[in-house]
Amino acid sequence: AQSVTQPDIHITVSEGASLELRCNYSYGATPYLFWYVQSPGQGLQLLLKYFSGDTLVQGIKGFEAEFKRSQSSFNLRKPSVHWSDAAEYFCAVGAKEYGNKLVFGAGTILRVKS
Amino acid sequence: ETGVTQTPRHLVMGMTNKKSLKCEQHLGHNAMYWYKQSAKKPLELMFVYNFKEQTENNSVPSRFSPECPNSSHLFLHLHTLQPEDSALYLCASSQPRQGLGGANVLTFGAGSRLTVL
Repeated sequence: AQSVTQPDIHITVSEGASLELRCNYSYGATPYLFWYVQSPGQGLQLLLKYFSGDTLVQGIKGFEAEFKRSQSSFNLRKPSVHWSDAAEYFCAVGAKEYGNKLVFGAGTILRVKS
Repeated sequence: ETGVTQTPRHLVMGMTNKKSLKCEQHLGHNAMYWYKQSAKKPLELMFVYNFKEQTENNSVPSRFSPECPNSSHLFLHLHTLQPEDSALYLCASSQPRQGLGGANVLTFGAGSRLTVL
């Protein structure tokens, strides 16, 4: 069965420090990969997506993610975190073979300390 | 108004009440979704509608009844809920992109926070 793992439930980083959020997936097909962000009291906003091609994708708000097929990973990175990045981040995976339904990870809560 | 709009944003109901959640999208999408978001659990897909037809019911209890009168509107009718149904209910829409192998990019609403007493 398809699954998505975000190993870190909480991460705390200092403002200005770099950030990496981990995402691993188990999928028996060529995956489409997404990162969404959710601020308190809000819905999910798409940060970036990977369908094919260049494995390093750029997103909004200065985020990027790299697809590594050999490691079944799609980690999210940002070189310098801002206080406004504090939110919950969700990795999601889909595939045409599964009717394009998305499977979400459990989320990683990012705290930013000044 | 643009995007995906959900009403009400907050709802408190007793176990014997009947209420409905509403979702409206102004994006011209043809697919709409209901997700349940509970604390410390991954998002759970509940229902999917494509061109007003239900294409997915993810073993959701019958006390949740969806309705999709057209491609822009989606309702979730609630009846005889249990306290464990308290959660954030998220609506999303998408427009399948055939040119990219049909990958769905979901646009979410802000959610309806439901509390069942």
